[in-house]
Amino acid sequence: QVQLVQSGAEVKKPGSSVKVSCKASGGTFSSYTISWVRQAPGQGLEWMGRIIPILGIANYAQKFQGRVTITADKSTSTAYMELSSLRSEDTAVYYCAREVDLYYFDYWGQGTLVTVSS
Amino acid sequence: QSALTQPASVSGSPGQSITISCTGTSSDVGSYNLVSWYQQHPGKAPKLMIYEGSKRPSGVSNRFSGSKSGNTASLTISGLQAEDEADYYCCSYAGSSTYVVFGGGTKLTVL
Repeated sequence: QVQLVQSGAEVKKPGSSVKVSCKASGGTFSSYTISWVRQAPGQGLEWMGRIIPILGIANYAQKFQGRVTITADKSTSTAYMELSSLRSEDTAVYYCAREVDLYYFDYWGQGTLVTVSS
Repeated sequence: QSALTQPASVSGSPGQSITISCTGTSSDVGSYNLVSWYQQHPGKAPKLMIYEGSKRPSGVSNRFSGSKSGNTASLTISGLQAEDEADYYCCSYAGSSTYVVFGGGTKLTVL
């Protein structure tokens, strides 16, 4: 059984960066694809990007290109999502999820609330 | 504005069936049978209910079914139960540059 455990809530100032972690257990981490999906308060789901650890390749949604960096540490089975130049509109719950066949998500982390406020 | 269009809300009484639509374009839903559906209860992470258009993961009730016609995918829930009340999101593969797109979500109310 795959389990994804994310780091805790963060409060950040506008213009700063945040880095959220997602530690995986169960299965073989290097064979996963891990995606990041965010959900602003009262809003829908939004795909941000993915990392394919075995290939060391990351893909990003055009909206976040240049502001998001997704990485993975195979030695600790942990994926990271760093979002820079934060603004109030980035206030959201950020989820990591295991992505299968590049389009669906079968296991999800518990979510990490990132609040951007001055 | 989300890439895929879903109705904001649907409702039904216990035991009834409801269908949630998810309309995309020929660049996503219309070109690939790679639609997935997620159920999300308040304060919880989404849960995969349907993948590859109509397949159910192990443990998901057979009351949930998926289909597709043209640029529109649909999720049908039969024999509505109180615990089905939640938000539902569709998601589609959208090619090698856009990658993945979600719908705006539909709130299901069980009356």
